Amino acid sequence: DAGITQSPRHKVTETGTPVTLRCHQTENHRYMYWYRQDPGHGLRLIHYSYGVKDTDKGEVSDGYSVSRSKTEDFLLTLESATSSQTSVYFCAIRSTGDEQFFGPGTRLTVL
Amino acid sequence: KNEVEQSPQNLTAQEGEFITINCSYSVGISALHWLQQHPGGGIVSLFMLSSGKKKHGRLIATINIQEKHSSLHITASHPRDSAVYICAVSRGSQGNLIFGKGTKLSVKP
Repeated sequence: DAGITQSPRHKVTETGTPVTLRCHQTENHRYMYWYRQDPGHGLRLIHYSYGVKDTDKGEVSDGYSVSRSKTEDFLLTLESATSSQTSVYFCAIRSTGDEQFFGPGTRLTVL
Repeated sequence: KNEVEQSPQNLTAQEGEFITINCSYSVGISALHWLQQHPGGGIVSLFMLSSGKKKHGRLIATINIQEKHSSLHITASHPRDSAVYICAVSRGSQGNLIFGKGTKLSVKP
């Protein structure tokens, strides 16, 4: 157990509303990632962080922003949610051995 | 063309059968990862390897760097092995993963 939690686990929201997903880790790993998982596309990287206040874009970053103000928390924000952002979102950390460990996921539905 | 390709997409087996899932990639990598996802469930890391072979219980993962190919084998398959198996490769110092689309395995009793 890599000590990763995500909140909320499920969320239904309306188009145009802001949404923030939280990823929390208990083990002080430097690297954290946000992925989305969609049928037909598999998992894709949204944003990642390599330290406090150090973040960078992934493959599908449009419409998303992230923040990391402390080591243990990595926030993913949808500034104005769209139906195309309906997905399952996974947070992951990279261990000292370079393996990635995933959180339980957040199922987001944008109506 | 996807940078990570898995085959087959779907696989049905009888309990006890030997199973092989294949992964091919087209880019330079620092490591290859095999992940497991049960229906409605989270994602679990099974193996990370950069050369040779690793074994954990009934699971064996191999990689051929020259051929850019990896295989995941399951011996004496069991219905609880039913899951989606995902191959991913990591590149560069940031460790970002590029994923295959997964192989859905169903093991019938």
